[in-house]
Amino acid sequence: QQPVQSPQAVILREGEDAVINCSSSKALYSVHWYRQKHGEAPVFLMILLKGGEQMRHEKISASFNEKKQQSSLYLTASQLSYSGTYFCGTCDQTGANNLFFGTGTRLTVIP
Amino acid sequence: DAGVTQSPTHLIKTRGQQVTLRCSPKSGHDTVSWYQQALGQGPQFIFQYYEEEERQRGNFPDRFSGHQFPNYSSELNVNALLLGDSALYLCASSLELSYNEQFFGPGTRLTVL
Repeated sequence: QQPVQSPQAVILREGEDAVINCSSSKALYSVHWYRQKHGEAPVFLMILLKGGEQMRHEKISASFNEKKQQSSLYLTASQLSYSGTYFCGTCDQTGANNLFFGTGTRLTVIP
Repeated sequence: DAGVTQSPTHLIKTRGQQVTLRCSPKSGHDTVSWYQQALGQGPQFIFQYYEEEERQRGNFPDRFSGHQFPNYSSELNVNALLLGDSALYLCASSLELSYNEQFFGPGTRLTVL
């Protein structure tokens, strides 16, 4: 049930864009995106629901392709503060929010 | 408004011992989920409590048990500790509705020697 994320790691210069992908072998009800900095708790970014619209949080947006059970996180004009490990959490049950997380994508933004 | 709090911050135990971890949810939240995060891995869902009952459970053995109190706080108990139980244990709280975000606490780092 664990989703697969790609890439595993990416290094960006400030201002560059990046895409992080998350795919599941099961039909999904929702996809949740989190960012975790070293030694800290995961911080919520956004939720995408089945049948819902593409979401945006500042310069970070995400999409959800229900037919392919895939979600993508788009980081535009990256900032140093975007560095961290990004996790997608998936839920395959209606009316539930217990999440199955991928192995994460480590994003490093350098000046 | 206090967020999710967990105690203790760090814990060292030996194999075979038992441990209890505690979590206080964000104010107004009624659902508590527990996750285990091994080094370099994503969080793995252990179980979720709502209305003092276990509502969902992940693929963890019965050595892992929990409890939710009337004030929505929660405990995670692990019996007969194994070396492989060493991990960061995260508590997340949310409202009962499925599309609500989960707020994570800082975690408890458990080391089993």
